[in-house]
Amino acid sequence: SYVLTQPPSVSVAPGKTARITCGGNNIGSKSVHWYQQKPGQAPVLVIYYDSDRPSGIPERFSGSNSGNTATLTISRVEAGDEADYYCQVWDSSSDHQVFGTGTKVTVL
Amino acid sequence: EVQLVESGGGLVQPGGSLRLSCAASGFTFSSYWMHWVRQAPGKGLVWVSRINSDGSSTSYADSVKGRFTISRDNAKNTLYLQMNSLRAEDTAVYYCVTAMVGPGAFDIWGQGTMVTVSS
Repeated sequence: SYVLTQPPSVSVAPGKTARITCGGNNIGSKSVHWYQQKPGQAPVLVIYYDSDRPSGIPERFSGSNSGNTATLTISRVEAGDEADYYCQVWDSSSDHQVFGTGTKVTVL
Repeated sequence: EVQLVESGGGLVQPGGSLRLSCAASGFTFSSYWMHWVRQAPGKGLVWVSRINSDGSSTSYADSVKGRFTISRDNAKNTLYLQMNSLRAEDTAVYYCVTAMVGPGAFDIWGQGTMVTVSS
């Protein structure tokens, strides 16, 4: 089965840039979606189709995808960005959706 | 307002059954594929199952295949998840989700319903 690997945690100072990676075999050939989840809340889609932002998501959130790694970048990090982040793809060989292991972003 | 509201969670003994429901409103339910995603306490998101718009095609995670059944009633704008032979490892918050912005991009989530499997 297809596996997506994320770093367990990322720490960043306010105003700086956070980069969260999502590794998978030839992930660059797939469409990657990213979710933000705060404690006690349902996840929120922040990036879809590698780099598109849903309505209402700040431009500080951006995404890229190439080779074996997709990346979510949060620029000018704010305290409110502290949350868990998950990547997700569709594995066509199994017709399964697959989520990454999740990354906890801590704002110092 | 687009909304998904889950219900039916609760405490069940190992080996027992439970049926979750998800009531959809604010959009044309019959046009969208629907999914269930779960999250065990303190753990990550796990995709469980999906059903196509008319209910003719389904897919399941290996961990639930043969035990869970996804279905829908488009006349009632409701999605279901019948869960049989429940195990302790099925304990989780179950979310009903759909992708309106594009296939596979889950932009609409319910609030979730908690399922606890314990004796």
